[in-house]
Amino acid sequence: AQSVAQPEDQVNVAEGNPLTVKCTYSVSGNPYLFWYVQYPNRGLQFLLKYITGDNLVKGSYGFEAEFNKSQTSFHLKKPSALVSDSALYFCAVRSGSARQLTFGSGTQLTVLP
Amino acid sequence: ETGVTQSPTHLIKTRGQQVTLRCSSQSGHNTVSWYQQALGQGPQFIFQYYREEENGRGNFPPRFSGLQFPNYSSELNVNALELDDSALYLCASSLPGRGTYEQYFGPGTRLTVT
Repeated sequence: AQSVAQPEDQVNVAEGNPLTVKCTYSVSGNPYLFWYVQYPNRGLQFLLKYITGDNLVKGSYGFEAEFNKSQTSFHLKKPSALVSDSALYFCAVRSGSARQLTFGSGTQLTVLP
Repeated sequence: ETGVTQSPTHLIKTRGQQVTLRCSSQSGHNTVSWYQQALGQGPQFIFQYYREEENGRGNFPPRFSGLQFPNYSSELNVNALELDDSALYLCASSLPGRGTYEQYFGPGTRLTVT
């Protein structure tokens, strides 16, 4: 079985400050990890992925994520938040043999001007 | 935009009715997955189709069924609609085996069951 936990329903950060959205996972075997963003009344937009290699992966719009195998975490980060980053963020995982993505419950990010 | 399209955008149905949702995958993607996203929750996997065959299924009853066509487009059919079927239905396409791994989502169909 595979599962994802996003411990924070809501994250608030001031514009220009660094942001972190937390994600921990459980999966058998090596994990494939993903971050998606969802704007109101829209589908999911792919941000970045970790498959193998460097623990720090860079994605779209200045976002990056750090894979930590010992802590089974894959936190999303951005050095300087923008108001336009305000959205719902989902972490997802799948094992190499699984067909589906398993998503967390989502974290609502609000960047305050 | 991902190139994945879904129709219709919104749909209102009555309990007990049947509904068909449609999805066109991104060009060249041969795998389509369907997810249900209830309000305030993350997407839940319904099933996946690869080369016109069901290729995996989540914890959904048989009244949720699907099809994939030779052009890789797909349909999701739900029979005997229940109030709890009200959700955003998302279609995602992918090209496994080409090193991409990620799935690309359409804008979704908002289904309301009254």
